[in-house]
Amino acid sequence: SQKIEQNSEALNIQEGKTATLTCNYTNYSPAYLQWYRQDPGRGPVFLLLIRENEKEKRKERLKVTFDTTLKQSLFHITASQPADSATYLCALRGNNNDMRFGAGTRLTVKP
Amino acid sequence: KAGVTQTPRYLIKTRGQQVTLSCSPISGHRSVSWYQQTPGQGLQFLFEYFSETQRNKGNFPGRFSGRQFSNSRSEMNVSTLELGDSALYLCASSLVPGQTLSGNTIYFGEGSWLTVV
Repeated sequence: SQKIEQNSEALNIQEGKTATLTCNYTNYSPAYLQWYRQDPGRGPVFLLLIRENEKEKRKERLKVTFDTTLKQSLFHITASQPADSATYLCALRGNNNDMRFGAGTRLTVKP
Repeated sequence: KAGVTQTPRYLIKTRGQQVTLSCSPISGHRSVSWYQQTPGQGLQFLFEYFSETQRNKGNFPGRFSGRQFSNSRSEMNVSTLELGDSALYLCASSLVPGQTLSGNTIYFGEGSWLTVV
């Protein structure tokens, strides 16, 4: 069956450090992978999309890598700030063409 | 331009009742999908509509239904509510459904919090 696993339910880091979140998937052959941010009580907000032929994508302090051999995406936030505290979700299109989400990693950046 | 609008934002229903939630997509977006989010199950796909037709359906019982109108606005209905239906119901819109080479970003609304008592 298709699975999306985000390595940690929660991740705590110190302000200024780099946060690295992992998304692993099985039984998908995705053309792209997406990352979303979700704040408590709010809908997810799209952050980045990376295609299967792209190794890395950057947007300001965010960096995403995509390794289709390892079936893994890494999401990095450099120079993290307390305002980056949120839950981060990775998402893939399933066989049924529905968007499927990982359970998310709750990131807390401590001042 | 305005984002995805969901109403109502909060509601409380009793078991056995039915509920209708509404979603207005971003202007120009023709695809609307619905998700249920609970602490235990995370975000789960309910269904997707495009041009008033249901294109995909997730693994939910028939008590969950939806429709889309000609102006792309969508509603979802849950009948015979159960306690386990308490969740955040999220609507998302996109230009078109499905997977494309360029990627198809979906934009979420703030959700409707449903509590069943």
